[in-house]
Amino acid sequence: AQTVTQSQPEMSVQEAETVTLSCTYDTSENNYYLFWYKQPPSRQMILVIRQEAYKQQNATENRFSVNFQKAAKSFSLKISDSQLGDTAMYFCAFVKRTGNQFYFGTGTSLTVIP
Amino acid sequence: GAGVSQSPSNKVTEKGKDVELRCDPISGHTALYWYRQRLGQGLEFLIYFQGNSAPDKSGLPSDRFSAERTGESVSTLTIQRTQQEDSAVYLCASGDRGNTEAFFGQGTRLTVV
Repeated sequence: AQTVTQSQPEMSVQEAETVTLSCTYDTSENNYYLFWYKQPPSRQMILVIRQEAYKQQNATENRFSVNFQKAAKSFSLKISDSQLGDTAMYFCAFVKRTGNQFYFGTGTSLTVIP
Repeated sequence: GAGVSQSPSNKVTEKGKDVELRCDPISGHTALYWYRQRLGQGLEFLIYFQGNSAPDKSGLPSDRFSAERTGESVSTLTIQRTQQEDSAVYLCASGDRGNTEAFFGQGTRLTVV
């Protein structure tokens, strides 16, 4: 079975600062994807960033980047130059390439303080 | 529309009534997922459809829950004889066959009183 663990239920960061959210996962698969999704109070789940397991290079999307450590099964999200609009729940997720469900962590509630 | 559409947005129902939730996936997406999210918690997998294959119903919590999808179109999630513990946001997502991304709707907030 696949599991995804987010050990930080809540975090806060000052506006314009950098914050890192942690995620670990457990799988015996070799071909999979990892994701960070953002869920603001509107409930809409929004994809922040995606990492393909076969790629060693860490994914980057503007202010968002990941630190993907495949051997350690770690997938952290770094948010640079935090903005008030980054305040949301952040979910780490895993899916096998040929899988039938996305496995989600329990989420980290991030608050950006002005 | 371009995104996943769910209706209704909010539903309040009396305990013991049946409810039906609807999901319109993105056109062309073969995969469709239903998840349940209780207040302050993560996403709990309910059911997965992939094209015309038999659905994976392994996440349905009881026989009061059922879901249907015809081909690659609309899906409905039905909860019979609702209980207060069914109160949650029900999220639907659709995606391609390769699982490159799940696109989510805004969810239906179900409240059982």
